[in-house]
Amino acid sequence: GESVGLHLPTLSVQEGDNSIINCAYSNSASDYFIWYKQESGKGPQFIIDIRSNMDKRQGQRVTVLLNKTVKHLSLQIAATQPGDSAVYFCAENMYTGNQFYFGTGTSLTVIP
Amino acid sequence: DVKVTQSSRYLVKRTGEKVFLECVQDMDHENMFWYRQDPGLGLRLIYFSYDVKMKEKGDIPEGYSVSREKKERFSLILESASTNQTSMYLCASSLRLEGGEKLFFGSGTQLSVL
Repeated sequence: GESVGLHLPTLSVQEGDNSIINCAYSNSASDYFIWYKQESGKGPQFIIDIRSNMDKRQGQRVTVLLNKTVKHLSLQIAATQPGDSAVYFCAENMYTGNQFYFGTGTSLTVIP
Repeated sequence: DVKVTQSSRYLVKRTGEKVFLECVQDMDHENMFWYRQDPGLGLRLIYFSYDVKMKEKGDIPEGYSVSREKKERFSLILESASTNQTSMYLCASSLRLEGGEKLFFGSGTQLSVL
């Protein structure tokens, strides 16, 4: 399978600061990407997605940036809150396929 | 809201036992998936199904089988549980929307094989 990796396994930020979580993907044919949030003891929860024909997409307090040239994805969380503490995964998918490939995750800790 | 329900939150079994993990989704999704999640390894695909009675092997199918007799239900079977199958098991279903296919996950089953 294709590998999807994260640059940092852990990240600590002060409450109110912005967080940036990075992800590298390896399959240049992937054209759809998703960020998931997984809180302790729960299943992954969809946060935001982006197609390869876009380089930026914004949601509520979150922004995903896609750089296809270097096969890099990032998730920005504005004004990070204690409830944002979780593990964050990126996933890649080809629109024509069923399979997703996940990174190992980055653990985000928000310091009050 | 989409709901993917896994029947057990925690499960403890003995080596050699046959184990059934059940998953039900309520949104009429075509595709369903079973992943296992281990520290440092992320999510790895065991099996998936794109229709009733259809199944495809994922990346790590050895030691597992699946059953999809009804569209809403996808079962994972450990024929003879082993200690290396101790893991968090996540079921998911997917909906293909304009722009991509979105996975929805259950809360997971933490299986311990003793």
